[in-house]
Amino acid sequence: DAGVTQSPTHLIKTRGQQVTLRCSPISGHKSVSWYQQVLGQGPQFIFQYYEKEERGRGNFPDRFSARQFPNYSSELNVNALLLGDSALYLCASSLGLQETQYFGPGTRLLVL
Amino acid sequence: RKEVEQDPGPFNVPEGATVAFNCTYSNSASQSFFWYRQDCRKEPKLLMSVYSSGNEDGRFTAQLNRASQYISLLIRDSKLSDSATYLCVANNNNDMRFGAGTRLTVKP
Repeated sequence: DAGVTQSPTHLIKTRGQQVTLRCSPISGHKSVSWYQQVLGQGPQFIFQYYEKEERGRGNFPDRFSARQFPNYSSELNVNALLLGDSALYLCASSLGLQETQYFGPGTRLLVL
Repeated sequence: RKEVEQDPGPFNVPEGATVAFNCTYSNSASQSFFWYRQDCRKEPKLLMSVYSSGNEDGRFTAQLNRASQYISLLIRDSKLSDSATYLCVANNNNDMRFGAGTRLTVKP
């Protein structure tokens, strides 16, 4: 079975631009979570979606938004990019809420 | 103060050594706990869940002490392939809090 997939793998943007990152969960998983990981730190929780509804939100500004589609895939959008948004963006899927999360390979975003 | 704190290391140990990592969490409402390992420039991979009764998976043993709010991971008979960063996680209502990780290098 395929694991969690994310696209693109790498991305370079400039300040002020907008970016959309995509995630497909493991087949049968209904929950997707998004994390930001900067170098030398652990992943920081951004959002969790379950059955297309937001079920959790971390301490991130409103420039960050996400959605989940009927097929359980998800997109993370970041507007008005800042240099500090440069990070590895990880998607994790789980069968449901409070279930073990499995991570995708991530999208490396560099903001210049 | 971070919600989940770990000694960043690095821990440099010879093959065959036993090494232990500790992690403390500040949110007493945390409900579930995990250890993930992360190789350089890769995604975190689940190593094991952590239960109050303690649990073992081969050479790995995890313990949870709710009263003291700490979690531990013991690795016996270290292998070169155990070299990685180990992330401690405390989960409260779908809000997974990760520590910054403890780096382990196992040397021949």
